[in-house]
Amino acid sequence: DIQMTQSPSSLSASVGDRVTITCRASQSSRYYLNWYQQQPGKAPKLLIYGVSILQSGAPSRFSGSGSGTDFTLTISSLQPEDFATYYCQQGRAFGQGTKVEIK
Amino acid sequence: QVHLVESGGGVVQPGRSLTLSCAASGFTFNSFGIHWVRQAPGKGLEWVALISYDGSEKYYAVSVEGRFTISRDNSKNILYLQMDSLTVDDTAVYYCARDYLRNSVMDYWGQGTRVTVSS
Repeated sequence: DIQMTQSPSSLSASVGDRVTITCRASQSSRYYLNWYQQQPGKAPKLLIYGVSILQSGAPSRFSGSGSGTDFTLTISSLQPEDFATYYCQQGRAFGQGTKVEIK
Repeated sequence: QVHLVESGGGVVQPGRSLTLSCAASGFTFNSFGIHWVRQAPGKGLEWVALISYDGSEKYYAVSVEGRFTISRDNSKNILYLQMDSLTVDDTAVYYCARDYLRNSVMDYWGQGTRVTVSS
C-alpha cells in the first residue's frame, strides 16, 4: 500500500511569509495528488487536486507542484485564515498532516 | 449546492454495533462514489471505505475490513456505514466525502459525526 510522508509535521510562520510543505509518496500512483486544509473542529476542505489544479473558491496564494513521488504545497503570502493543518492525499492514503501555527 | 450530512454517531460499548448515515443533496447522487474517512481524537485523517456510484464496488481499509460494511440507497440519496465488533480504536469523527473524477479526489465533505467506543 502507498504511504504518504509530509514534512515538516509542524511549522511556525508569520503573516506574509512564504510557506512550503512537502509530501513524498512511497511509490508512484495513478491517483491524483491532492491537498486539504482543515481548520480546528471543522471538516477538511479540498484546496488543490491533480498536483496543481486549484479547487474552485480556493485562494490563488495556494499552489501545488511536483511529479512522480515528490510534491509541494506553497502558500505565497500567509494570511491569518491560513493557520490550519494541511494534508496531502493520494488514492486511499493521507499524509500525517502539517500544522501551520502563528509565530 | 452540494450538501452532505452525517448522522448516527454516539457512545457505544466495545463489541457492539452502530450504523452511520450520510444524507446527500445538491448533486446527482447516483453519479458519484462516496468515501468514509475518520479522524481519531488529536490524530490525522484515515480513509475507511469507498463505494462506487452504483454500489457495485466496495473497498475497505485493512483496519475495518470484515467488520464494517458500506452501502447506499440511490433512491433515497443516502450512504450508510454499518460498523460491527467496534473497538476503542474505532473512536473517531466519521466524515463522508464525495469522490470527484473517480480518482479519490474528495471534493465535498460532511460536517462529521462522532463515534465513541467506551465501556
